[in-house]
Amino acid sequence: GAVVSQHPSWVICKSGTSVKIECRSLDFQATTMFWYRQFPKQSLMLMATSNEGSKATYEQGVEKDKFLINHASLTLSTLTVTSAHPEDSSFYICSASGGPRTQYFGPGTRLLVL
Amino acid sequence: GQQLNQSPQSMFIQEGEDVSMNCTSSSIFNTWLWYKQDPGEGPVLLIALYKAGELTSNGRLTAQFGITRKDSFLNISASIPSDVGIYFCAGDNYGQNFVFGPGTRLSVLP
Repeated sequence: GAVVSQHPSWVICKSGTSVKIECRSLDFQATTMFWYRQFPKQSLMLMATSNEGSKATYEQGVEKDKFLINHASLTLSTLTVTSAHPEDSSFYICSASGGPRTQYFGPGTRLLVL
Repeated sequence: GQQLNQSPQSMFIQEGEDVSMNCTSSSIFNTWLWYKQDPGEGPVLLIALYKAGELTSNGRLTAQFGITRKDSFLNISASIPSDVGIYFCAGDNYGQNFVFGPGTRLSVLP
């Protein structure tokens, strides 16, 4: 099946720093990638949809200046959490779609902001 | 926006028992997907359904796309300890609005 990787798998940072998370589709080209956030014992919350070569589409309530998304190639999308604060601590998961009807998820990145 | 409901919210079963969970929506979807998430990991696709009425199996898992296109169910037969996790359904309309359900948390008692 399709493989999606994320890096890093976990990160601890100080408040005020920026953190970049990479999402790669390893064996297929992903025209669209999605970024989700998941709090403990909750479902996945879509943050933004990222299309290669164009600006990301953010869900309501998600600050685009805080969560910068870049989809520079068909196999790589990055999410940068700028000026991270403790409330940004969460599990961030990306998914990639090689076609319109299925999404394959990465293993997630756990962010802890101290 | 569109929302999915999953039931039950959580379930505790004995190893070897069969499990049934379902997912409903107030609106139509063209695709239904079932994922399993283990703690600290991303969701893994179990079964994808693309046609109303479709019944698809993957090992001990069986899922059906409801005829009304507003629901789907997932069955697990002869449960084993590694079936523990959260099962999410997701509905999609050709990539236009991918929606996740809140999940069913499954615990399997030895």
